[in-house]
Amino acid sequence: KAGVTQTPRYLIKTRGQQVTLSCSPISGHRSVSWYQQTPGQGLQFLFEYFSETQRNKGNFPGRFSGRQFSNSRSEMNVSTLELGDSALYLCASSLVSGSYNEQFFGPGTRLTVL
Amino acid sequence: AQSVAQPEDQVNVAEGNPLTVKCTYSVSGNPYLFWYVQYPNRGLQFLLKYITGDNLVKGSYGFEAEFNKSQTSFHLKKPSALVSDSALYFCAVREGFQKLVFGTGTRLLVSP
Repeated sequence: KAGVTQTPRYLIKTRGQQVTLSCSPISGHRSVSWYQQTPGQGLQFLFEYFSETQRNKGNFPGRFSGRQFSNSRSEMNVSTLELGDSALYLCASSLVSGSYNEQFFGPGTRLTVL
Repeated sequence: AQSVAQPEDQVNVAEGNPLTVKCTYSVSGNPYLFWYVQYPNRGLQFLLKYITGDNLVKGSYGFEAEFNKSQTSFHLKKPSALVSDSALYFCAVREGFQKLVFGTGTRLLVSP
């Protein structure tokens, strides 16, 4: 089976712009989670989607949003980019939402905001 | 709310020696515990998990972890370290259907 794929792998934007990141989960996985990874804050949970519904949400401002499509693919959007949004954005998929199911991570999208 | 702590930013060990990466957790109910490893410029890879039952869990690449409920710990161990084990290790906890919470990570450096 193919792993979790994320596109693009690298992105450079300027302050004030918006960006959309894409994630394709492992075939058959219905849950997708997003994380922001920075050297200072570590791994921070953004949101989790299951069957096109947001199941959990982290403590990020409303500029961060996401959605999941009927084929389980997911996108996250960041509007009005700030310098502090520079980070590695990781997507993870699992068979179902929550509990003891392990998550499988993609390689991430490295976002740089100038 | 659940939380997890990794008290060591870095662990140094010589190749061939046993290694331990520490993790403690806090939940109000029964925890689901996970260990992940991250190599440079890569996403996280799942190593092992504790759900219930046997306190000693065996995972990938010869790693194992021991669940200790009284000490609320889930330390990662390996009997004999390899240079290739050098990476960033994350402990994570989940309670029920709540979000997965990660520790701050521990960098493992195995010297030849």
